[in-house]
Amino acid sequence: AQTVTQSQPEMSVQEAETVTLSCTYDTSESDYYLFWYKQPPSRQMILVIRQEAYKQQNATENRFSVNFQKAAKSFSLKISDSQLGDAAMYFCAYRRGNAGNMLTFGGGTRLMVKP
Amino acid sequence: KAGVTQTPRYLIKTRGQQVTLSCSPISGHRSVSWYQQTPGQGLQFLFEYFSETQRNKGNFPGRFSGRQFSNSRSEMNVSTLELGDSALYLCASSPGLSTYEQYFGPGTRLTVT
Repeated sequence: AQTVTQSQPEMSVQEAETVTLSCTYDTSESDYYLFWYKQPPSRQMILVIRQEAYKQQNATENRFSVNFQKAAKSFSLKISDSQLGDAAMYFCAYRRGNAGNMLTFGGGTRLMVKP
Repeated sequence: KAGVTQTPRYLIKTRGQQVTLSCSPISGHRSVSWYQQTPGQGLQFLFEYFSETQRNKGNFPGRFSGRQFSNSRSEMNVSTLELGDSALYLCASSPGLSTYEQYFGPGTRLTVT
């Protein structure tokens, strides 16, 4: 079974600074996808960024980028120029390729942004 | 385009009762997945429906069931409620199976007393 681990229950960052959230996963599959989701206090899950395992290039979406280390099974999220609106729970998630949309989530990291 | 809607948003039930939660996916989306979120267990996958057929099922007891209608709307049912069923139930829709994006609804907060 696949597992996703987020070792940092809480992180804090100063506004405008950069922060990196860690995620490791365990799988024997070669075809899979990785995601970072944001869950603000409203509880609505929002997709932040995704990475296809077959792509070597790290995904980037505006201020959000990932460091995907396939051999190490590591998938960290870097948030640059942190904003107050980035404060939320962040979940790392794994999905097998061509096996439906079932996501396996990590335990989450609560990010606090200090003004 | 309207997002994923879930009804009701909040629900209080008594132990032993049953409950039905509803999820309307984004128009045109045919896949609906359900997740349970609790402080202790985190986010756990319940099941996924596509074209009225259950495609994947998580590790939950048979008290948890679901279905999908021809218009892609989905319902999940929990029978003989237990205190541990208190959770936020999230629904997510996707255009098809194994697509990149899943769009989540706001959730239904179920409290069992």
